[in-house]
Amino acid sequence: DFQLTQSPSFLSASVGDRVTITCRASQGIINFLAWYQQKPGEAPKLLIYAASTLQSGVPSRFSGSGSGTEFTLTIRSLQPEDSATYYCQQLNSYPLTFGGGTKVEIK
Amino acid sequence: QVRLVQSGAEVKKPGASVKVSCKASGYTFSDYYIHWLRQAPGQGLEWMGWINPNTGVTHFALNFQGRVTLTRDTSINTIYMEVSRLRSDDTAFYFCAKVITTRNLAFADDAFHIWGQGTLVTVSS
Repeated sequence: DFQLTQSPSFLSASVGDRVTITCRASQGIINFLAWYQQKPGEAPKLLIYAASTLQSGVPSRFSGSGSGTEFTLTIRSLQPEDSATYYCQQLNSYPLTFGGGTKVEIK
Repeated sequence: QVRLVQSGAEVKKPGASVKVSCKASGYTFSDYYIHWLRQAPGQGLEWMGWINPNTGVTHFALNFQGRVTLTRDTSINTIYMEVSRLRSDDTAFYFCAKVITTRNLAFADDAFHIWGQGTLVTVSS
C-alpha cells in the first residue's frame, strides 16, 4: 500500500499567517493527490486535486504543489473559517489511502 | 444541484449486519462511480471500495473483501452498502462519495468532490 505521511499533525497560527502542510508518499504517485478539509461533524470537502488544481468554489488563498513523493498545501492568509483538519489522499493506486491529518487551530 | 443523501444512524449488536443507503440526485446516476469510506470517531479516513452504478461491478480494499457488499437500485438512484458480521471496531461514520469524472480515477484530474453527510454506525452489545 502507498503510505502518506503528513506533517505537522497539529499547528496553531494567527489570522493572516501563511500556513504550509506537507504530505510525503512512500512511493511516487505522479500528481494523483488530493487535499480535503474537514470540520467537526461534517463530511470532508475537496480543496485541491491533481496536486495543484483548485476545486471550483474554493477560495484562492488555498494552493497545492508538488509531484512524485512530496506535496504541499498552502493557505496564503489564514482565516478564522480555516480552522479544520486537513487530509491528503493518494489516488494513484488501490487501496486509496489518506495521510493522518493536520489539525489547524487559529490562535 | 448534485447531492448524495445517506440514511440515518444505526445501532447494531456485534455479529449483526447493517445496510446504509446513499441516494443520488442532480446528475446522471449511471455515469459516475460511487466510493465508500469510513472514519472511526476522532480518527482518520479509510477507503473501503467502489461500485459502478451502471454495471454493478464492485471493487474493495482487502480489509473489506467478503464482509462488505455494494449494490444499487437504478430505479431510485440509490447505492446500498452492507457490512456483515459487525465488530465493535466497525463503529464509525460511513460516507459515500462521488468522483468528478466518468473515468473513475483513471487520470489525475479526479477526486471525491461530492460527499454524503455521513451515517454513524455504532456496534455495541
